[in-house]
Amino acid sequence: TQLLEQSPQFLSIQEGENLTVYCNSSSVFSSLQWYRQEPGEGPVLLVTVVTGGEVKKLKRLTFQFGDARKDSSLHITAAQPGDTGLYLCAGVGAAGNKLTFGGGTRVLVKP
Amino acid sequence: EAGVTQSPTHLIKTRGQQATLRCSPISGHTSVYWYQQALGLGLQFLLWYDEGEERNRGNFPPRFSGRQFPNYSSELNVNALELEDSALYLCASSLVRGHQETQYFGPGTRLLVL
Repeated sequence: TQLLEQSPQFLSIQEGENLTVYCNSSSVFSSLQWYRQEPGEGPVLLVTVVTGGEVKKLKRLTFQFGDARKDSSLHITAAQPGDTGLYLCAGVGAAGNKLTFGGGTRVLVKP
Repeated sequence: EAGVTQSPTHLIKTRGQQATLRCSPISGHTSVYWYQQALGLGLQFLLWYDEGEERNRGNFPPRFSGRQFPNYSSELNVNALELEDSALYLCASSLVRGHQETQYFGPGTRLLVL
């Protein structure tokens, strides 16, 4: 069974600070996706990383896929209240037929 | 273009009853996925339908079942409801078969079992 562990589970920071969310597994994934979910809504895809060592940037968000494709991180620079939400990582197995979600990191950015 | 829609938005049932949840995918999408999200937690994969057939299911008992209709909409049925079935049930659709493709999520149906 492939498992994804996210840390921390909860993060509360002030506006303007930086934060990093981690997603770790003992299994190899063919690709990894990051989602953000706001209350009352379904998750929205932010990015997909495919290649080991890949780094993708989305404005103030930087996503990195580990060299061994077992882990990933999400770094937010100068966080804003609009970044508040539940961040979920999800791995696609080598067979490409199963999406495994991490437990989520709840981020609160206070003005 | 309309996104994934789910109905009802909220559902209250008592233990032992049956619940039926519905999902309409984005127009043109043939794959539909169902997930269970317990309060504040990550998503657990339930079922995947594509072209009317069940392609994969997660580690859930047989009382969780569903189907996909010719118009690609889908139903999730939960029989003999238990208290721990209380959760947000999310449906997602994708344009092409397989979890590699981007999945677009609906707003979910919040099921409460009393």
